[in-house]
Amino acid sequence: QVQLVESGGGVVQPGGSLRLSCAVSGFTFSNFGMHWVRQAPGKGLEWVTLIQYDGGNKYYADSVKGRFTISRDNSKNMLYLQMNSLRAEDTAVYYCAKDQGYVYGHSFDYWGQGALVTVSS
Amino acid sequence: IQMTQSPSSLSASVGDRVTITCRASQSISTYLNWYQQKPGKAPELLIYAASSLQSGVPSTFSGSGSGTDFTLTISSLQPEDFATYYCQQGYSTPYSFGQGTKLEIK
Repeated sequence: QVQLVESGGGVVQPGGSLRLSCAVSGFTFSNFGMHWVRQAPGKGLEWVTLIQYDGGNKYYADSVKGRFTISRDNSKNMLYLQMNSLRAEDTAVYYCAKDQGYVYGHSFDYWGQGALVTVSS
Repeated sequence: IQMTQSPSSLSASVGDRVTITCRASQSISTYLNWYQQKPGKAPELLIYAASSLQSGVPSTFSGSGSGTDFTLTISSLQPEDFATYYCQQGYSTPYSFGQGTKLEIK
């Protein structure tokens, strides 16, 4: 069955860095775009970033552009999110999610369980 | 593209028919998806491409619309349907979600 498992969350000071990982299994990872979506405590969902199936194109929300970097290793079925210059407002649960593709409205059909990132001094 | 859901919260009873609306700030064709999220859990996809039911989702859920106006309808509320619902546009990046609609038991 499809599984997405995030790791790497934790507490970091403002200005610090953290790298999230998402281990994927159960589908052909190299065929699909992948996203990171976050949710601040008690708030709604915020789309963060997308990487296309081959890593060729990457897109970012304005709120993280220049600070966050998405990447993937198709040989290892791994997705990553490098987060630098972290701010208090980046505190959230971060989900990795699989994109079904444009025929399916670019909907996210599988999600990880989430990784909590807390930015605090 | 800004996505606006209404209402932000809704009280209803088991067996009720409920409709949630999502409006896009510009035309997104049918690149509109609906998710359900329960406390402490990841969102789950209900409807993709405005009106297609995701595999495994009960047929009490349905979606409609195109362009800028969309609706999610639950034809007969079940106890497990009380949750928060989000719309999401997949038309262009940055992809965006509505602010959510919290469906509570009356």
